[in-house]
Amino acid sequence: ELKVEQNPLFLSMQEGKNYTIYCNYSTTSDRLYWYRQDPGKSLESLFVLLSNGAVKQEGRLMASLDTKARLSTLHITAAVHDLSATYFCALSTSGTYKYIFGTGTRLKVLA
Amino acid sequence: DAGITQSPRHKVTETGTPVTLRCHQTENHRYMYWYRQDPGHGLRLIHYSYGVKDTDKGEVSDGYSVSRSKTEDFLLTLESATSSQTSVYFCAISEGEGSGTQYFGPGTRLLVL
Repeated sequence: ELKVEQNPLFLSMQEGKNYTIYCNYSTTSDRLYWYRQDPGKSLESLFVLLSNGAVKQEGRLMASLDTKARLSTLHITAAVHDLSATYFCALSTSGTYKYIFGTGTRLKVLA
Repeated sequence: DAGITQSPRHKVTETGTPVTLRCHQTENHRYMYWYRQDPGHGLRLIHYSYGVKDTDKGEVSDGYSVSRSKTEDFLLTLESATSSQTSVYFCAISEGEGSGTQYFGPGTRLLVL
């Protein structure tokens, strides 16, 4: 059974600091996704990572994938308040159309 | 933004009543999904569809049924609502062969009293 664990679950950080969110998963998977959710809103796609060593960057966010370690990271550089949100990783499973989500990391960036 | 709408956006109902939530897409995507979101659980898949009249169960399908008679519409029915089904429900669609980025609707907040 594919399981996805994120840590930390909650993260409070100062503006300007760097931090990393971790997404570990239990079995091999086709693709890994990162989403952002603002309070009371829907999920917005951030990144799709397709292969080992893949790295994607958008602004202050950078995601990477290590399929051998079954680990993806979302790195935040010089955080700003606007990055405050909940971040989810998710994986799709080979041979099915199902997606499995992590429990999310709630990020709060303090001014 | 992907063209996905959900209705109703908010609903309060009583235990034991049937409830139907609707998801409508204008993207002509083949794959559609229903999730529920609860604190501490992230998103959990209820049912999904891989074509008209083709559906399958997710991890938390008990007490829910779905139907898809048209490509653009995916209905979720709570056959007899219970308080444990109080949640936020999201519909999603995916591009390509199903293993692609999912795009989410705005969500439906359901309160079962």
